[in-house]
Amino acid sequence: SQQGEEDPQALSIQEGENATMNCSYKTSINNLQWYRQNSGRGLVHLILIRSNEREKHSGRLRVTLDTSKKSSSLLITASRAADTASYFCATVRGSNYKLTFGKGTLLTVNP
Amino acid sequence: DTEVTQTPKHLVMGMTNKKSLKCEQHMGHRAMYWYKQKAKKPPELMFVYSYEKLSINESVPSRFSPECPNSSLLNLHLHALQPEDSALYLCASRLRGTNEKLFFGSGTQLSVL
Repeated sequence: SQQGEEDPQALSIQEGENATMNCSYKTSINNLQWYRQNSGRGLVHLILIRSNEREKHSGRLRVTLDTSKKSSSLLITASRAADTASYFCATVRGSNYKLTFGKGTLLTVNP
Repeated sequence: DTEVTQTPKHLVMGMTNKKSLKCEQHMGHRAMYWYKQKAKKPPELMFVYSYEKLSINESVPSRFSPECPNSSLLNLHLHALQPEDSALYLCASRLRGTNEKLFFGSGTQLSVL
């Protein structure tokens, strides 16, 4: 079963605008990660936030984590057409490091 | 070398065939994963190997048989598949720590006729 639920399922914006994607999950986690996938091929890791962290930045990416609400958000600032892709949150649970993906958000950045 | 290599990239097989998917990494990672992804859906976890031992099997049908011959190599043996098994099969690896990312291969697109 999928741990994360992304919101929105699809997002279309203009170049230069900011994109925000949200993720909710159901059980306690070790960490939460965000991945990007282009055209149904391999996934690329973007950022990891540990369960005891609240906010993390990497370049144009900002991730927040609220463990009390079991939710996370990914903000991409100053978006570019090349950011067009599917974005998935993934939660990690247990000593076996079970990584489970949410349903994903399809982001389209129009030039 | 920071790559996870999957072969073949594309595979078409009949329901009576036996085939294998291969995944290789030379990053010294000690955990390796198989995921299945249908079109417009998220990847679904199938198996996890840790130190060459199967640590997670997500109740995958026995027509999928994983194998980890050594720390660099992961195979997925396929036998008597169904058309609904057609999907993108993704392999990933992880260094083996408490907060580590996964490195993914580009996948094998499988079609079962």
